[in-house]
Amino acid sequence: AQKVTQAQTEISVVEKEDVTLDCVYETRDTTYYLFWYKQPPSGELVFLIRRNSFDEQNEISGRYSWNFQKSTSSFNFTITASQVVDSAVYFCALKNAGGGNKLTFGTGTQLKVEL
Amino acid sequence: EAEVAQSPRYKITEKSQAVAFWCDPISGHATLYWYRQILGQGPELLVQFQDESVVDDSQLPKDRFSAERLKGVDSTLKIQPAELGDSAMYLCASSLASIGGRLLPGNTGELFFGEGSRLTVL
Repeated sequence: AQKVTQAQTEISVVEKEDVTLDCVYETRDTTYYLFWYKQPPSGELVFLIRRNSFDEQNEISGRYSWNFQKSTSSFNFTITASQVVDSAVYFCALKNAGGGNKLTFGTGTQLKVEL
Repeated sequence: EAEVAQSPRYKITEKSQAVAFWCDPISGHATLYWYRQILGQGPELLVQFQDESVVDDSQLPKDRFSAERLKGVDSTLKIQPAELGDSAMYLCASSLASIGGRLLPGNTGELFFGEGSRLTVL
């Protein structure tokens, strides 16, 4: 069985603040993939990043960074110097290598960035 | 940039009526998924196709939902009869194929989603 938990339902920040979105996952597989997706008000899910379970190297892409820690089964996402355009719902997702490509999503975190 | 096309974007129907959603995946993507997203929740997989074959439909309410991908390209999801609880966003996604879930070289495992079809059942 696999499960993704995003405990933060909603976060509100003021523009230019840094914000971290938490993601905790559960899986019995040793090989798996973790994803973050962004869902703006338009509804389309936009892929942000994928991490492999065997690669714990953290990644930075512009204002976005991801902290993957297998020891705590967490895959947290930080936005530096947030902007109003970052306002969206963010989903963390998990796919087991042996799971037939099935993607299991968390319940999402609504991020509101205000001026 | 290639996109996953879905129609209609919005559908309002009365309960007990039939409703259908259409999805055209990105060309060359062998795997197609239908997800349902209830307001305030994450998407949940309804059905997954590999070419024209169903790989996973364990969460599909088969008494009223059906899905097909006859030629292994576009797909239709049907609900008959619709119930109030079916009000949700229906998302279609596609991805490159994988072998037993393991990603092939060059395959990021990314699912490409369409804009969704928002269903309201009155």
